[in-house]
Amino acid sequence: EPEVTQTPSHQVTQMGQEVILRCVPISNHLYFYWYRQILGQKVEFLVSFYNNEISEKSEIFDDQFSVERPDGSNFTLKIRSTKLEDSAMYFCASRQGTSGAYNEQFFGPGTRLTVL
Amino acid sequence: AQSVAQPEDQVNVAEGNPLTVKCTYSVSGNPYLFWYVQYPNRGLQFLLKYITGDNLVKGSYGFEAEFNKSQTSFHLKKPSALVSDSALYFCAAPRAAGNKLTFGGGTRVLVKP
Repeated sequence: EPEVTQTPSHQVTQMGQEVILRCVPISNHLYFYWYRQILGQKVEFLVSFYNNEISEKSEIFDDQFSVERPDGSNFTLKIRSTKLEDSAMYFCASRQGTSGAYNEQFFGPGTRLTVL
Repeated sequence: AQSVAQPEDQVNVAEGNPLTVKCTYSVSGNPYLFWYVQYPNRGLQFLLKYITGDNLVKGSYGFEAEFNKSQTSFHLKKPSALVSDSALYFCAAPRAAGNKLTFGGGTRVLVKP
């Protein structure tokens, strides 16, 4: 069964450093998402991406964040200068673009980012 | 603004007993509602969704959910819980077609043998 994959599973970085979180969505999916979950808190939407551009972003997704689909398979989230409060589990998700606008999103296993 | 609430942080149930995980929603227009489960060190796995039609929705692993418009609820149920059902459960709603999911706070389910 196809699945969303994410690398690395755990990333430790120093405050102020850049990190890139990588995701490989399910191959025939057209919509891509990043969410994050700070320990003990609810899952929060960061950004959605469709047709090679951001379709929606939350107030969390400021200028320090960017997303990219550099090739036909990868979907990345970059944080330019990490802050302590960026420590969280980051989930990538993807969704089909076929009819049925409320198709479920499929989530990857997450990358745990720890900023020291 | 759209919101989803899960009033219980944790639910404890004995194996073999019925399991209910509560979710209430506040959305404009027709509600569309999902349930996800998160096992330790795993991503969120889709269980079931309500889009339209029958108020009782059946999903994966023997779970079902009942949509109640008058009570604005979408409670997840399983007639006979298993120890392996112990996990974190999230109710979620897409804001609009294809758009972001708004999640409830999650409910931790502990099924004891």
